[in-house]
Amino acid sequence: DGGITQSPKYLFRKEGQNVTLSCEQNLNHDAMYWYRQDPGQGLRLIYYSQIVNDFQKGDIAEGYSVSREKKESFPLTVTSAQKNPTAFYLCASSIGLEGKGLKGETQYFGPGTRLLVL
Amino acid sequence: QKEVEQNSGPLSVPEGAIASLNCTYSDRGSQSFFWYRQYSGKSPELIMFIYSNGDKEDGRFTAQLNKASQYVSLLIRDSQPSDSATYLCAVIRGSYIPTFGRGTSLIVHP
Repeated sequence: DGGITQSPKYLFRKEGQNVTLSCEQNLNHDAMYWYRQDPGQGLRLIYYSQIVNDFQKGDIAEGYSVSREKKESFPLTVTSAQKNPTAFYLCASSIGLEGKGLKGETQYFGPGTRLLVL
Repeated sequence: QKEVEQNSGPLSVPEGAIASLNCTYSDRGSQSFFWYRQYSGKSPELIMFIYSNGDKEDGRFTAQLNKASQYVSLLIRDSQPSDSATYLCAVIRGSYIPTFGRGTSLIVHP
């Protein structure tokens, strides 16, 4: 089955610790995204990548880092600089720039990772 | 500042009624409009997209777009308790990067 997987489902972070959230897709999508969702809030864009080896900051990139070494993978690291990391983290992918029209813009979401601070 | 506004709700409707969800946006250059449904604790899933002014129907769902007034709405006919969720509006200008609203919580009571 094609889809997006995220792991772990729950992640606990100690103060001063960096943690990495995994996101993998087998949809052959070019574009991948990371969002943060706080209770009662919409989705805020952290980072996005429209092609391998390239990524761009979103609206709330401070305290986060990403890499895009493979088309299928877009891991997110929450660094110790992120002082309020407790949230629901969602990874998404889309066909991207090559998919003109709506198919290129529809986002497909993974199941999410809930990050909690100890 | 690009913004997408939604009434957070909750919007409560009886089973079988029509639920009307609204979304306004500030960027007149916006081109693509999406509605996602998100159940509590789950990830969003696409319901509908619309590009052109007017109505677009898919089963019990109808999306309405009015670019002159800068709003997009979602109508759910014959609402069911299983429709109870948060509905997110997303708007794209052209860079394939969406801006999401905060979502409207819908409660369909039996």
